[in-house]
Amino acid sequence: NAGVTQTPKFQVLKTGQSMTLQCAQDMNHNSMYWYRQDPGMGLRLIYYSASEGTTDKGEVPNGYNVSRLNKREFSLRLESAAPSQTSVYFCASESRDAYGYTFGSGTRLTVV
Amino acid sequence: EDQVTQSPEALRLQEGESSSLNCSYTVSGLRGLFWYRQDPGKGPEFLFTLYSAGEEKEKERLKATLTKKESFLHITAPKPEDSATYLCAVQEVYNFNKFYFGSGTKLNVKP
Repeated sequence: NAGVTQTPKFQVLKTGQSMTLQCAQDMNHNSMYWYRQDPGMGLRLIYYSASEGTTDKGEVPNGYNVSRLNKREFSLRLESAAPSQTSVYFCASESRDAYGYTFGSGTRLTVV
Repeated sequence: EDQVTQSPEALRLQEGESSSLNCSYTVSGLRGLFWYRQDPGKGPEFLFTLYSAGEEKEKERLKATLTKKESFLHITAPKPEDSATYLCAVQEVYNFNKFYFGSGTKLNVKP
């Protein structure tokens, strides 16, 4: 099925470890986004990529880096994980014609 | 500062009991207001986009309306399968890539 695929679905890290969250979309969308979702705080934008080759900071970028590898793939990297980064992470993509996001199913990350 | 507030935080309804969810917003320029449905353990699923005051959109038992300050999601004769968290988001006219999400309303429909 067409859509946004995120890997992994679950991950437990120790403080200070690094990891990369992967995201791929097969809808030929130009824009891709990384959000985190925390209880009572709603979805907050970490980074976004308006088109292949460009990335920009969102509301909460500290502690994260991103790479727009090609039009399909947008990865999120935690260089040195902290307990405050425990959250559910969602990748999304958007077509300017359709408006509205298509979200992946999320990565539940716990940092201990 | 741009802000999106949803109320109530949680809503319990009996099957068939109609009600409304509220999304109030403050943004310097509104390009669009979006409603999403989120089931537990899943990503949000797009429902509607509204662009101008007075606009309405409908899908099955759901109807979304928009004024200059707020949006309502009306649920008519809900069924247990309508149970989910409903999220509202606004998009700025000055930066299409900036969406501001509310924290959601968790709806529970009892049979």
